[in-house]
Formats: sequence, C-alpha cells, structure tokens
Amino acid sequence: KQEVTQIPAALSVPEGENLVLNCSFTDSAIYNLQWFRQDPGKGLTSLLLIQSSQREQTSGRLNASLDKSSGRSTLYIAASQPGDSATYLCAVMSGSARQLTFGSGTQLTVLP
Amino acid sequence: DGGITQSPKYLFRKEGQNVTLSCEQNLNHDAMYWYRQDPGQGLRLIYYSQIVNDFQKGDIAEGYSVSREKKESFPLTVTSAQKNPTAFYLCASSTGLETQYFGPGTRLLVL
Repeated sequence: KQEVTQIPAALSVPEGENLVLNCSFTDSAIYNLQWFRQDPGKGLTSLLLIQSSQREQTSGRLNASLDKSSGRSTLYIAASQPGDSATYLCAVMSGSARQLTFGSGTQLTVLP
Repeated sequence: DGGITQSPKYLFRKEGQNVTLSCEQNLNHDAMYWYRQDPGQGLRLIYYSQIVNDFQKGDIAEGYSVSREKKESFPLTVTSAQKNPTAFYLCASSTGLETQYFGPGTRLLVL
C-alpha cells in the first residue's frame, strides 16, 4: 500500500528565505506526483504536477523535483513571502484506480 | 465561471441521523472524489466515481454512501453507522491522469 510522508510537519522562516519541503513515498510505481497548497479552512489548490517521466517542474518562485527511483520529491520556494504561509500537501497518483495518496502536510509560516 | 461547489459550508448532525453533503461541478470532468480530512492529517479517500452510474469504495468507505446519477453531481451521505463523523470533507474532480480540482469543503460537526 502506498504511503506518503512529509517532513517537516511545521516550519517557520523569516521573510525572504529560500526553503525546501520534503516528500517521500514507498511505492515508486506512480503516474505522477502533485503539490497542493491549503489555506486554513479551505480546499486545496494545485501548485505543480510532475509526471512520472519528468524530473522537475517550475512555476514562478516554486520548483518541484522528483526522484522516482528513490521515492523522493522536494518543493523549493524561493524568496519566501508572508503570503506563502499555508499548509503544503504532497500527493502521489498510483494503482489501477489512479488513486491519490496524500501526505499529512507541512505547515509553513513566513514571518514578516 | 467553472469550478466545484460544495454545500453547505457547515453541517451539524444529531446522533443517529443521516446527513447528505452536496458536490457539483461544471468542469465536464468524468471522475469525482470524496475525501475526509482530520486535523493535522492528510486527505483520505472515501469514495470515487470514474463515470456516471458507477462508483468505487476508497480507503475509508464504511459508514458512508454515494450516488452518481448525473455527471455534474456526486453527493455523499454520512450515515448513522459512521461513529466518528466530525471532520472536514472535500470533493474533487478530474479528467483522469491530470490534477484534481477541489471544492471549498464542508465541515461536519456532531451535536
């Protein structure tokens, strides 16, 4: 059964810092890996999707990498801003049902 | 204005009562999903449907039921058999292998 782990569970940084969020998964037979953002009490917003054949994806200040063989992904956020404060969730799509399995998230706080 | 809507935003359930959460999408997506989120945890899949009139159990389907009579709608019923229903419920839809689009969620509380 696919399991997804995110480290750290919480992170607090001063504004302007570059930071890295980590995600690991147990079964490397995935279709894709996705990073989502969740604001308190809200739904999820898709940030980046990396297909299994890709190594990385970039969107603005965000860069996500995928190492499928080692079961790892990182989300790099450059020049963090207070508006980046949210919970970041990693999810992998795998199995015949193309099911998304989520990690428990990293709660990020960017201090002004 | 395309997207996914969920209603109500808050729902209160009395013991022994069945309640239904609404999920509607106008994105013309074939696949729809229901997830449960508990505090400090990720999302867990309750039920999913890849086509009208068909749905499959997810990891935590016990105490829940769904229907998919229309492409746009995928309501979730939390039955009295679900002994710990307090959670944040999220509905999503997708075309299949692409990203899932999420609704704003319904918070279910037990009186």
